[in-house]
Amino acid sequence: AQTVTQSQPEMSVQEAETVTLSCTYDTSESDYYLFWYKQPPSRQMILVIRQEAYKQQNATENRFSVNFQKAAKSFSLKISDSQLGDAAMYFCAYRWGTSGSRLTFGEGTQLTVNP
Amino acid sequence: EAGVTQFPSHSVIEKGQTVTLRCDPISGHDNLYWYRRVMGKEIKFLLHFVKESKQDESGMPNNRFLAERTGGTYSTLKVQPAELEDSGVYFCASSPRGRRNTEAFFGQGTRLTVV
Repeated sequence: AQTVTQSQPEMSVQEAETVTLSCTYDTSESDYYLFWYKQPPSRQMILVIRQEAYKQQNATENRFSVNFQKAAKSFSLKISDSQLGDAAMYFCAYRWGTSGSRLTFGEGTQLTVNP
Repeated sequence: EAGVTQFPSHSVIEKGQTVTLRCDPISGHDNLYWYRRVMGKEIKFLLHFVKESKQDESGMPNNRFLAERTGGTYSTLKVQPAELEDSGVYFCASSPRGRRNTEAFFGQGTRLTVV
């Protein structure tokens, strides 16, 4: 069975600084996707960034980037130039490559951004 | 385009009562998922609809939970009778069918408290 582990229940960062959230996963599949979702206090979860396992290049979306280490089964999220609006619960998630597959989530990391 | 909407946003019920949660997916999304997060733990999969059919209900905790998706549109999740351990946040998500790289779009969740 696939598992996703986020070992940092809470993290904090100073505004404008950089923070890295950790995620590891376990799977025997070769075709899969990894995601970082953000859930702000208003509770609607939104996609931050996605990575396709067959792509070696790390995904980036503006201030958000990932460090995808396939052999180590590691998928960390780096937030650069942190902003107050980045404060949220961040969930790492995995799913098979097949369309419609369900997500497997980690426990989440609560990120606090200090002004 | 309207996003995934869930009703109610909060519900407080007594043990033994019945509660029905509703989810309206994004129009045209054949895939509809229910997930649940109990206090401080990971978000767990409950079930997956493709249109009106249950594709995977392996995550449903027991027969007190009943999910339906009328005509392949909105979905309801009924808990009868509710127990204390059913408390948590229930998320609904939808995605289009047949696209490998698509993300799931989430609603804001329903916070259920059983007292």
